[in-house]
Amino acid sequence: EAQVTQNPRYLITVTGKKLTVTCSQNMNHEYMSWYRQDPGLGLRQIYYSMNVEVTDKGDVPEGYKVSRKEKRNFPLILESPSPNQTSLYFCASRSLTGQAKNIQYFGAGTRLSVL
Amino acid sequence: GENVEQHPSTLSVQEGDSAVIKCTYSDSASNYFPWYKQELGKRPQLIIDIRSNVGEKKDQRIAVTLNKTAKHFSLHITETQPEDSAVYFCAAGTDSWGKLQFGAGTQVVVTP
Repeated sequence: EAQVTQNPRYLITVTGKKLTVTCSQNMNHEYMSWYRQDPGLGLRQIYYSMNVEVTDKGDVPEGYKVSRKEKRNFPLILESPSPNQTSLYFCASRSLTGQAKNIQYFGAGTRLSVL
Repeated sequence: GENVEQHPSTLSVQEGDSAVIKCTYSDSASNYFPWYKQELGKRPQLIIDIRSNVGEKKDQRIAVTLNKTAKHFSLHITETQPEDSAVYFCAAGTDSWGKLQFGAGTQVVVTP
């Protein structure tokens, strides 16, 4: 089954404690992305990657890091989380070629609370 | 960069009536316009999309129209049902570029 898997689904942490949210896709998609969703603000892009070892900033990259060492994985790293990073996070992927290009698939979401 | 505005932010309709959500975009290079539906507690899922070489696309009770000159596109849901209640997001981007810019979302409530 084609899917985007992110873990954990729920996470409560404290300010300053480094954390990583993992994202994996099994569709051989070139493009992967991280969004945060906050009430009234829609989906804002944090970082994206066009392929292995190629990453770029989205609209709200401050306080986040990513890496793309393998095509299937795109972890989101918060080196020193702060309360304003409390949000619902979605990973997404899509193909950049072929008939189904640009159809974006989302993971199930990670709800993060930073105390 | 691209900026997408979406209206209204909330929409309440009676079951059986139609619902219309409108979006405008700023970048004339955008040529791909998807719509996503997000049910409560779930992930966004693509429901319909349109490319700039097409003015209208329909899939059963949902349709999307695009006006490239005016830089706006709309989602139309006919004969609404309670299961249409969700948050709907429009987005704009280009076929080959990475960024897909989302609107702020419309909360649609269909009352029986």
